Amino acid sequence: QLQLQESGPGLVKPWETLSLTCTVSGGSVSINGYYWGWIRQPPGKGLEWIGTIHYSGSTYYNPSFKSRVTISVDTSKNQFSLKLNSVTAADTALYYCARAAADIAVAELTYYFDYWGQGTLVTVSS
Amino acid sequence: SYVLTQPPSVSVAPGQTARITCGGNNIGRKSVHWYQQKPGQAPVLVVYDDGDRPSGIPERFSGSNSGNTATLTISRVEPGDEADYYCQVWDRSSEQYVFGTGTQVTVL
Repeated sequence: QLQLQESGPGLVKPWETLSLTCTVSGGSVSINGYYWGWIRQPPGKGLEWIGTIHYSGSTYYNPSFKSRVTISVDTSKNQFSLKLNSVTAADTALYYCARAAADIAVAELTYYFDYWGQGTLVTVSS
Repeated sequence: SYVLTQPPSVSVAPGQTARITCGGNNIGRKSVHWYQQKPGQAPVLVVYDDGDRPSGIPERFSGSNSGNTATLTISRVEPGDEADYYCQVWDRSSEQYVFGTGTQVTVL
């Protein structure tokens, strides 16, 4: 059974860099047909996609974050990571890592998140 | 960017049918995926590709998609179905994953 586990500091100071790692077990990140992504959820609010990465290094980013975000993958450790620069209180959220499965439906490529980590709360505060 | 709109809340009595809508411009041309999120838990995929169910998801969960509206239908609602539900699409034109605004389902 595939499992994903987020790790990283739970408290980050304003204007510093938020860094999280997702460790994948029970499967490999180095597999075609899947991307690996980060999604966040501010307290009491909805889901917001941050970005996704393929093991080849190909990335998609939410334009809302594009200037501040970097997602990378370490196939030797079976991990992928998120860095978000210049954080503010608005970046306080529950951060999830997830696997995005690629599929062809309605004659078009689509992606959905089929496995999720449990989430980790990151608070931005001095 | 592409926008998905859901009603904030839906209430349903046990045993009845809950229908949760997800509105988007020509959403019928896209594949829609649905997630269930119970309090304090990570989201769980309940329907993908408009109407397919992952292994382990009850047949009570079904989906449809046409025109400007996709719908998640929960038949014979149980108290354990009380949760937030989110729709999601992959927008090819902008290369973005888009989530709906979310719907809180309350079982009366």
